[in-house]
Amino acid sequence: SAVISQKPSRDICQRGTSLTIQCQVDSQVTMMFWYRQQPGQSLTLIATANQGSEATYESGFVIDKFPISRPNLTFSTLTVSNMSPEDSSIYLCSVGTGNEQYFGPGTRLTVT
Amino acid sequence: SQKIEQNSEALNIQEGKTATLTCNYTNYSPAYLQWYRQDPGRGPVFLLLIRENEKEKRKERLKVTFDTTLKQSLFHITASQPADSATYLCALGPITGGGNKLTFGTGTQLKVEL
Repeated sequence: SAVISQKPSRDICQRGTSLTIQCQVDSQVTMMFWYRQQPGQSLTLIATANQGSEATYESGFVIDKFPISRPNLTFSTLTVSNMSPEDSSIYLCSVGTGNEQYFGPGTRLTVT
Repeated sequence: SQKIEQNSEALNIQEGKTATLTCNYTNYSPAYLQWYRQDPGRGPVFLLLIRENEKEKRKERLKVTFDTTLKQSLFHITASQPADSATYLCALGPITGGGNKLTFGTGTQLKVEL
């Protein structure tokens, strides 16, 4: 198993600003995933982040809007750039070990 | 396009009964299927995984079936308890060799009443 922490747990931001979300894992992992969960919706994968390479983004998500860093095997950040109210959501990071995924507690973002 | 359907309406059952949740999918041939539990304000928690060549998997009070012909999985909680109240998500794994990427359903909220 893996224990994942995220910072911040929640934030309220003004439109046009950016927020960086941190994800820390208690063990070294190859792949980390960033998801978005909008109110009443399921989880949507934003990107997959491997250490030492560029993140791979899913359809509908671009690096300019959601830049990701993966400086080492236990840490990653996701930035939500130039925010609009439509970005209000819960952002979750996860790691996959074998065929199980473990999720962080999420960051609840509200954009006003 | 790929589609995963779970009952959007909440399922209300009495304590002690068996809860059965459904996950249907189309245009997809997953290597495996997973079930997660999500409590309000928390990230999903992994419960069970069942592979494409398995029909049934059990863990304590949980049972999952996987019918690749019907493209359906059923998730059962026997002797349900109020503490089982949560949203349950199914997630489909990629085709064999496709990495760890999951596609999630929208989840079904379960409420177990005394």
